[in-house]
Amino acid sequence: DVKVTQSSRYLVKRTGEKVFLECVQDMDHENMFWYRQDPGLGLRLIYFSYDVKMKEKGDIPEGYSVSREKKERFSLILESASTNQTSMYLCASSYQVYRGAANEQFFGPGTRLTVL
Amino acid sequence: DQQVKQNSPSLSVQEGRISILNCDYTNSMFDYFLWYKKYPAEGPTFLISISSIKDKNEDGRFTVFLNKSAKHLSLHIVPSQPGDSAVYFCAASAREYGNKLVFGAGTILRVKS
Repeated sequence: DVKVTQSSRYLVKRTGEKVFLECVQDMDHENMFWYRQDPGLGLRLIYFSYDVKMKEKGDIPEGYSVSREKKERFSLILESASTNQTSMYLCASSYQVYRGAANEQFFGPGTRLTVL
Repeated sequence: DQQVKQNSPSLSVQEGRISILNCDYTNSMFDYFLWYKKYPAEGPTFLISISSIKDKNEDGRFTVFLNKSAKHLSLHIVPSQPGDSAVYFCAASAREYGNKLVFGAGTILRVKS
């Protein structure tokens, strides 16, 4: 059974703190993604990675950074948390399209982050 | 600029009836479309997909229809069940954009028993 896990389900942090969100997948997927979900805005892509140590900006990368040191792990870092980063954060993974597999992404359960 | 639009924020349907969720897109490069279902406090789960070379794909109670000329797709759920109550996201991808998906804002479906 495919699995994407995220380190925390709920997190409360203070403004200015550095926040680490961890994601691990056990499907040997090349691609990993970080989204945030906000009401009325759907899922917006923050960063993604198509290989170890590779990363690309998504649609809303400002205020975030990522790290992918191992294939199975993709970390999202909030350098200095702000209240407008209060959101649901979702990690996903998928195979590369060239494998001929469907472009389906598998999601983790999400981390509800509140910044006070 | 939203490339994938779900114009109905919510939909309420009686159990046993048909649910129709709609999605419009603006980018003609999109060639693959997916529907995801999301329960509160859980991650989205893949439901059904369709390639642009088809106009219909069916999986049990779920059918997706694609109208390329209108840049419109719809998800039909027949018959609707209370357990179908969730947020449904439409997503699109294009070979030129690699492995990224572009998501709509989602539609909340409530199936009343």
